[in-house]
Amino acid sequence: EIVLTQSPGTLSLSPGERATLSCRASQSVSSNYLAWYQQKPGQAPRLLIYAASNTATGIPDRFSASGSGTDFTLTISRLEPEDFAVYYCQQYVSSPKTFGQGTKVEIK
Amino acid sequence: EVQLLESGGGLVQPGGSLRLSCAASGFTYSDYAMTWVRQAPGKGLEWVSGITGGGAGTYYADAVKGRFTISRDNSKNTLYLRMNSLRAEDTAVYFCAKGHYSGNYPYLDYWGQGTLVTVSS
Repeated sequence: EIVLTQSPGTLSLSPGERATLSCRASQSVSSNYLAWYQQKPGQAPRLLIYAASNTATGIPDRFSASGSGTDFTLTISRLEPEDFAVYYCQQYVSSPKTFGQGTKVEIK
Repeated sequence: EVQLLESGGGLVQPGGSLRLSCAASGFTYSDYAMTWVRQAPGKGLEWVSGITGGGAGTYYADAVKGRFTISRDNSKNTLYLRMNSLRAEDTAVYFCAKGHYSGNYPYLDYWGQGTLVTVSS
């Protein structure tokens, strides 16, 4: 099983600041089959990024991602009020298709 | 517009059974893999089970293997999760999610709003 470890657990930032979230895999995620999701309280998750760096349809361009192998990063260039949420990474190359434990981005 | 509507959740005693359903619309259902993901109260997302578009490939998390069965009826555009021998730790909101294609390695591009399963005596 591929274990995904996200850091930090919580990120306290102000609107307009840059957010950098990390996702580290216990073994290489082949073909960069890694996705990022955003979840707000009481809502279903929403796909942000697939294949490590491809932005999903309708996602603002302040969201970007990079990485390969075992280290992946999600960046929000300038935080908007609606970006404060929990973010999860997921690998979808190997069953079970595990999620990281999440990073909460909260208003400072 | 893609829509996924889960149903079938509720309160069940430990050891009991439940069947969840997810009615899909807005896309050619048989062309896409489907997945169940759950979220215990106050916790993170946990991948539970997946099934390919044609239904031939099924996959399970170790925590549910042998107790849960995923299936789909492509004539009814509906995904199912049969849950047997339920335990307190199965208490969660269960989301169904659509894969981006029919095969074994889907990312999840649309999600339902979830149905709550509570296992308690």
